[in-house]
Amino acid sequence: QKEVEQDPGPLSVPEGAIVSLNCTYSNSAFQYFMWYRQYSRKGPELLMYTYSSGNKEDGRFTAQVDKSSKYISLFIRDSQPSDSATYLCAMSQTKAAGNKLTFGGGTRVLVKP
Amino acid sequence: GAGVSQSPRYKVTKRGQDVALRCDPISGHVSLYWYRQALGQGPEFLTYFNYEAQQDKSGLPNDRFSAERPEGSISTLTIQRTEQRDSAMYRCASSGNRGRETQYFGPGTRLLVL
Repeated sequence: QKEVEQDPGPLSVPEGAIVSLNCTYSNSAFQYFMWYRQYSRKGPELLMYTYSSGNKEDGRFTAQVDKSSKYISLFIRDSQPSDSATYLCAMSQTKAAGNKLTFGGGTRVLVKP
Repeated sequence: GAGVSQSPRYKVTKRGQDVALRCDPISGHVSLYWYRQALGQGPEFLTYFNYEAQQDKSGLPNDRFSAERPEGSISTLTIQRTEQRDSAMYRCASSGNRGRETQYFGPGTRLLVL
């Protein structure tokens, strides 16, 4: 079983809908949680970064972390066709260890106009 | 300035050959990471440097894989005696301040071993 599980999708939504993505993990040592967006044939780019449990909002994006359930989520409001991409969750144990990232497999999202 | 660059972008090689993949990090970035990404999967950690020192190589699959960063800037990932199972996208990332900041990923090198 992988340390980080993520539904591969694809997740297809109409433009303007809320996109809901999530990951589960098994390693309770993870403390730092990230969401990356990856367009086709491009490298991942950081979208959101959170530490420990709680919520964080940035524009149309909201990240949630529930460490007690080992569950993290990303919500995209008012989705746009330009949001169509693969979304990867990533986690690390501590920055002092060099921030080695453990990724989920990615969820492919398609926002239809 | 420019982002992380990697070369070559595509590499086709025959089984048994050695390959060297290059990563040029963002100027001034202290930390450099190598990941491998299979099709439809997330990146998988291989190894990591702070300056020229290799801090963690726990993700290297076997002793055919090695990496170096002799002057604390450009890094080379070398795969000796390549096998078909080595075919994947190899990604490099860099960050500032000893890994306490965002990792910026390069475009990757697509390796195909025939």
